[in-house]
Amino acid sequence: AQSVTQLDSQVPVFEEAPVELRCNYSSSVSVYLFWYVQYPNQGLQLLLKYLSGSTLVKGINGFEAEFNKSQTSFHLRKPSVHISDTAEYFCAVSADSGGYQKVTFGIGTKLQVIP
Amino acid sequence: GAVVSQHPSRVICKSGTSVKIECRSLDFQATTMFWYRQFPKQSLMLMATSNEGSKATYEQGVEKDKFLINHASLTLSTLTVTSAHPEDSSFYICSAPSPGDGNTEAFFGQGTRLTVV
Repeated sequence: AQSVTQLDSQVPVFEEAPVELRCNYSSSVSVYLFWYVQYPNQGLQLLLKYLSGSTLVKGINGFEAEFNKSQTSFHLRKPSVHISDTAEYFCAVSADSGGYQKVTFGIGTKLQVIP
Repeated sequence: GAVVSQHPSRVICKSGTSVKIECRSLDFQATTMFWYRQFPKQSLMLMATSNEGSKATYEQGVEKDKFLINHASLTLSTLTVTSAHPEDSSFYICSAPSPGDGNTEAFFGQGTRLTVV
């Protein structure tokens, strides 16, 4: 079984400041790692994913994340946030479960960008 | 990327009635789809795995008689909330694994906000 921990439920940050949203995971098997963004009353949009290869992954909207196997972390970062980044962000892991990828989500982090 | 369409986006129903939510893969076939439920200020919890041509697999604690899942074709899965009650009010989201090798990504529908009054 796998689990995901997002340590911060809410992160307020001023516009144009950098931000890091933390994510730690645990799993007994190899996993894929994802960050999704959810705007109010909408579904999930994939920001970025780590499948293999380079541990630094770049995604949409200027976000990036770094996979750290030794620390079992996959923190999301953006060097300069915009008002439009205000949303909820979910870290997720997927692992093979009977032939398909079973996705487990973290509890989510609400990013509030302050003008 | 692949598109998953979910309908309706919002529904309000009276207590005791049933509500059907549809999840369609628009440009690919999905033998497996997943249904999630999201309570306010909480994460998405997997409710069940929908399998085309066979019975759905429900997660522990999910009432299969209350949440009926039918995967009628390779592009359509439906979730029916039967005899809905206010505590069933929630945000329901479906997803389908990416087509092709590996199934490394899940594509999500837009979600359905269910309010039971």
